[in-house]
Amino acid sequence: QVQLMESGGDVVQPGKSLRLSCSASGFSFGSYAMHWVRQAPGKGLEWVSVISFDGTTKSYLDSVKGRFTISRDNSKSTLYLQMNSLRLEDTGLYYCARDAGRKTIFGVIPYWGQGSLITVSS
Amino acid sequence: AIQLTQSPSSLSASVGDRVTITCRSSQGISSALAWFQQKPGKAPKLLMYDASGLETWTPPRFSGSGSGTDFTLTISGLLAEDFATYYCQQYNTYPFTFGPGTTVDF
Repeated sequence: QVQLMESGGDVVQPGKSLRLSCSASGFSFGSYAMHWVRQAPGKGLEWVSVISFDGTTKSYLDSVKGRFTISRDNSKSTLYLQMNSLRLEDTGLYYCARDAGRKTIFGVIPYWGQGSLITVSS
Repeated sequence: AIQLTQSPSSLSASVGDRVTITCRSSQGISSALAWFQQKPGKAPKLLMYDASGLETWTPPRFSGSGSGTDFTLTISGLLAEDFATYYCQQYNTYPFTFGPGTTVDF
């Protein structure tokens, strides 16, 4: 079965950097686009970024463009989110999620990890 | 970015009720709309995609409709396990966006 496990969440000061990882198993990782979605405490869901199956196509939420970088290592079945210049409003639970489309970005997100918590605080 | 609004923001219902949640898009998104259910402390669960397509694990009491800018999620015969927060999500245009959520409680 599809399993996604995030790691790397921490408490960090504003302006600092952090990298999240997501280890995937139970499917052919290199064939599927992957997403990051976040949720601030007590708030709704916010889509953050997507990367195509081969890493050639990426898209970001406007408020993280230029600060966050999504990447993947298909040989390690691992997804990453490099987060620089962190802001207070980046605080939240970050979910790693798999797209439904094989070899394409469909945008439908059926599989989710349990999330990794990032707290940005001075 | 495309904005999604949901109504109501919350509703009180009882087991057996028929519940309808509306999602409205600020721009036409064809049928590129999904619905999620989220329970406290849990990851979101995909219920529907392409506005009316049932995900494989979604019970048939859930149904969806709409296209363009107006969409609905209906739960016919609410069960206790359906009390949760429901989100719509558009995947027609980047950045993908979620609605603010509708909480269904007792």
